[in-house]
Amino acid sequence: EDQVTQSPEALRLQEGESSSLNCSYTVSGLRGLFWYRQDPGKGPEFLFTLYSAGEEKEKERLKATLTKKESFLHITAPKPEDSATYLCAVIPINSGYALNFGKGTSLLVTP
Amino acid sequence: GAVVSQHPSWVICKSGTSVKIECRSLDFQATTMFWYRQFPKQSLMLMATSNEGSKATYEQGVEKDKFLINHASLTLSTLTVTSAHPEDSSFYICSASGTSPDTQYFGPGTRLTVL
Repeated sequence: EDQVTQSPEALRLQEGESSSLNCSYTVSGLRGLFWYRQDPGKGPEFLFTLYSAGEEKEKERLKATLTKKESFLHITAPKPEDSATYLCAVIPINSGYALNFGKGTSLLVTP
Repeated sequence: GAVVSQHPSWVICKSGTSVKIECRSLDFQATTMFWYRQFPKQSLMLMATSNEGSKATYEQGVEKDKFLINHASLTLSTLTVTSAHPEDSSFYICSASGTSPDTQYFGPGTRLTVL
């Protein structure tokens, strides 16, 4: 069964304190792995797509990396506005294009 | 680009009534649209996938006669919750994909409260 597990469930950082969020996945084959940001009461906002092990993508203070079993979302020198829930999702091969989401990591960055 | 809207953003209804939620892709043609449901402190759960002009494909455990999905055009999909009950109260979110089918753009969500 395809599974996506995110850790930690919640993370509290001080402004400027870099850290990483983890997404472990188990799929028979990976079409793509996706990172989204979700603010309370809003829909997810697309951040990155990763397709193959070794791939990296960057956007401002965020960098996503991918291995054959997991993905990391590195947050460098976070700011309070980076506070949100970060969702990881996969699309397995041969399952259409529906996203299979993890439960997310709730990030709080304090000044 | 890649903007998806939903209407209404929130709705309160009485038990037994039906509610329609619209999902529109504003600046691209959406070949496929998806409907998700999210309960408090939970992640998004896929309810159904719809392609323009075709019947929706529902996930296991989702009642197709209760959650009616219409994808009448390349920019509009609707979800109708029929005979809503309090347990249907949730956050309903749609997404749409265009020429790059594996990248979905999400709407802002609709908060449904059934009294």
